[in-house]
Amino acid sequence: KNQVEQSPQSLIILEGKNCTLQCNYTVSPFSNLRWYKQDTGRGPVSLTIMTFSENTKSNGRYTATLDADTKQSSLHITASQLSDSASYICVVSAGSGGYQKVTFGTGTKLQVIP
Amino acid sequence: NAGVTQTPKFQVLKTGQSMTLQCAQDMNHEYMSWYRQDPGMGLRLIHYSVGAGITDQGEVPNGYNVSRSTTEDFPLRLLSAAPSQTSVYFCASSYSMDNSYEQYFGPGTRLTVT
Repeated sequence: KNQVEQSPQSLIILEGKNCTLQCNYTVSPFSNLRWYKQDTGRGPVSLTIMTFSENTKSNGRYTATLDADTKQSSLHITASQLSDSASYICVVSAGSGGYQKVTFGTGTKLQVIP
Repeated sequence: NAGVTQTPKFQVLKTGQSMTLQCAQDMNHEYMSWYRQDPGMGLRLIHYSVGAGITDQGEVPNGYNVSRSTTEDFPLRLLSAAPSQTSVYFCASSYSMDNSYEQYFGPGTRLTVT
């Protein structure tokens, strides 16, 4: 069964500090991994996407890494801002071509405080 | 572009009532989908459509109906609401169901069934 597990469940950090969120998956055959940011009361918005051959992808202060051998990904946030307060969701796709099975993690709720 | 819009934002129903959640997109996307998001669980796919006139079931389709008469609109119908359908519902659209293309999510509808 395809599974995506994220840790920690929640995290509180001071503004300006860095943090790293983790995602472990058991999905086969792996197609791609995407990180989403979901603000409270809003829909998810894609931050990065990585395929099997990519091991790092950046989007501003967000850097995602992928280790396809250990089936782990991380999202590193640099110099956090209050606007980074949100849930971060790891999403892994299995399969190829027309139909892909997409599995969503439960998310890490990040709170950045002044 | 408005992107993906959903109405209503909030809805309270009594058990047994029916209603339709509206979803529209103005990006000319072929692929549209409905998800539900429950506390402690990842988003789960209810129904999806790969084009006008074509729909299919996702992971949790029971109790829901969909139709796709136009490219723009993809309404979700609850036939006889049950408390287990209390959830936040997200509509999404994408150029393709290939998950390498970004999915754009609407703002969500928060539904409570009493």
